Amino acid sequence: DTAVSQTPKYLVTQMGNDKSIKCEQNLGHDTMYWYKQDSKKFLKIMFSYNNKELIINETVPNRFSPKSPDKAHLNLHINSLELGDSAVYFCASSQGGRDYGYTFGSGTRLTVV
Amino acid sequence: SQQGEEDPQALSIQEGENATMNCSYKTSINNLQWYRQNSGRGLVHLILIRSNEREKHSGRLRVTLDTSKKSSSLLITASRAADTASYFCVMMEYGNKLVFGAGTILRVKS
Repeated sequence: DTAVSQTPKYLVTQMGNDKSIKCEQNLGHDTMYWYKQDSKKFLKIMFSYNNKELIINETVPNRFSPKSPDKAHLNLHINSLELGDSAVYFCASSQGGRDYGYTFGSGTRLTVV
Repeated sequence: SQQGEEDPQALSIQEGENATMNCSYKTSINNLQWYRQNSGRGLVHLILIRSNEREKHSGRLRVTLDTSKKSSSLLITASRAADTASYFCVMMEYGNKLVFGAGTILRVKS
């Protein structure tokens, strides 16, 4: 019973393509997130959704568009992929508030060639 | 927003020894969390310490927080080969946004 599952695990695609990464959590959490981990292992928040509403939208190119059809799902769609988009993308969820940790998915390694 | 700084960047110890990792940050926080990441996997939440707490224990883990120095440490006692992973300190800023440190790579040799 995977708590936060994201698909695909690996994604290799050419520059200019459009791709999506899906994320689902079965924890009943209200808040979901997308993080990008760069080659130096540093994670940065991209988006945060609370109950299907966008809460955090960091400085991310508008080629990246999150979509939350319901509070258990937060998908990430990327248009016109660029070489610099290559990274590992992590989905996460939390109960929200300051007393709870986050549960992360296992990541999607995106390689743009 | 801030970034956390972790020290050391890499740590190699023998099984059974203790491992200490340190983290510093720049602005005020709600809490500080530590996560583990095994190679090619997602992050696993280890422990959370609130800004009004100074020390917390969980099994072989001990976390301290010094808000006056804006620093935290994670101690893993009696390390095992299975503890080999990257460890991240993560600050929750006001507004409940997480900010990650760059991580400490821990290698425990058996």
